[in-house]
Amino acid sequence: AQTVTQSQPEMSVQEAETVTLSCTYDTSESNYYLFWYKQPPSRQMILVIRQEAYKQQNATENRFSVNFQKAAKSFSLKISDSQLGDTAMYFCAFHSGSQGNLIFGKGTKLSVKP
Amino acid sequence: GAGVSQTPSNKVTEKGKYVELRCDPISGHTALYWYRQSLGQGPEFLIYFQGTGAADDSGLPNDRFFAVRPEGSVSTLKIQRTERGDSAVYLCASSPGGAADTQYFGPGTRLTVL
Repeated sequence: AQTVTQSQPEMSVQEAETVTLSCTYDTSESNYYLFWYKQPPSRQMILVIRQEAYKQQNATENRFSVNFQKAAKSFSLKISDSQLGDTAMYFCAFHSGSQGNLIFGKGTKLSVKP
Repeated sequence: GAGVSQTPSNKVTEKGKYVELRCDPISGHTALYWYRQSLGQGPEFLIYFQGTGAADDSGLPNDRFFAVRPEGSVSTLKIQRTERGDSAVYLCASSPGGAADTQYFGPGTRLTVL
C-alpha cells in the first residue's frame, strides 16, 4: 500500500526567508504523480505544485520549487521569499497512474512571522 | 470559470439523523472525488466517480455512507444514522477525467454530529 509521511507537524519562518517542508512516500509503482496542496483556514485545498515521477527535472512555480529524489522517495517543497499569505497547512499527496484517488500526508502547519 | 462548489458550508445534525452533502464540480469535469478530513489529519479518500458510475468506492467506511451522481455532474453524499464519529470536513474534488489529471477541490462541508 502507498503511504505518505510528513515528519514536521509544525514549522515557522520569518517573512522573506526560505523554508523547506519534507515529505517521503512509499510505493512499488513506477508511474505516479506527487503534489503539494496548501490549505488556509478557509479550508479550500489549493494546488501549489505537481511533479510527474517520470520527469527528472524538478518542478518550479514562481517562489515554490520541489526537490524530487526518486530513489530516496523524497519530495520536499521549498518556499522562497516567504510571505504572510503563505501561512497555512501544507499537504503532500501521492497519486498513482493506476488509481484515481490521492493519498495525503498528515500535513505541516507553516507559520510565516513578520 | 467557476470552481468546485459544495453546499451546505456547515451542517449541524443530531446523532441518528440523515444528512445529504452536495458537490457541484467544474463544468466538463468527468471525474469526481469525495474525501473526509478529520481534525488534524489529511484528507482520506471515500469514493470516486467517472461519469455517472462509481469507479471506486473502497474508501466508504460502512454501509451508512452512500453517494450518487445520476447525471454525471452534481454528486450527493448521503449519510444515514449519523454518529458523532462522522463529524469531519467533507471535501469534494473534480478533474477533467484522465488518470494523470490534477484534482481541484471545493471549500468543503463541515459536518458536526451532536
